[in-house]
Amino acid sequence: AQRVTQPEKLLSVFKGAPVELKCNYSYSGSPELFWYVQYSRQRLQLLLRHISRESIKGFTADLNKGETSFHLKKPFAQEEDSAMYYCAGGGATNKLIFGTGTLLAVQP
Amino acid sequence: NAGVTQTPKFRVLKTGQSMTLLCAQDMNHEYMYWYRQDPGMGLRLIHYSVGEGTTAKGEVPDGYNVSRLKKQNFLLGLESAAPSQTSVYFCASTPNPNEQFFGPGTRLTVL
Repeated sequence: AQRVTQPEKLLSVFKGAPVELKCNYSYSGSPELFWYVQYSRQRLQLLLRHISRESIKGFTADLNKGETSFHLKKPFAQEEDSAMYYCAGGGATNKLIFGTGTLLAVQP
Repeated sequence: NAGVTQTPKFRVLKTGQSMTLLCAQDMNHEYMYWYRQDPGMGLRLIHYSVGEGTTAKGEVPDGYNVSRLKKQNFLLGLESAAPSQTSVYFCASTPNPNEQFFGPGTRLTVL
């Protein structure tokens, strides 16, 4: 079965520290992977997609097929990065599979 | 463009009552989805639609029904609400199945 796993429910870091939000996937075929962000009481927004290999708000994510991972990274966390982050995978099924989310708390 | 909108924003129901949540999008998207968001559970897909007049079950469809009579609207119905359906409901739409655009959510409490 297709699955996206985010092992951490909560990640707390200090401002300026590096951040790595973990995401592992189990997919047949070639998945398309995404990171979505949800700021407090707001709608989910697309942050990154693996096919574009872009950096948004200082975040990057690299698809590692050998480790079946798509971890989200930022070298220096900011307080405004505090949010819920969801990893999601899509393919040929007309739908996305979401992980359970990781709450990132950046302390001053 | 208003994007994806949801009506209502908040609702409190008593057990056994019925209600319909409306999702509307003005982007001419083919695909539309209904999710529920619960603490520790992430987003779970309830039902989805790949085009006008079509619907399909997601991961947690029991207790819900949907209709897509018009391309721009996707309705989610609760025929007999239960406390287990207390949740935040998100609608999403997309021109392709992967990059989804979300609505602002509906916070539903069932007493």
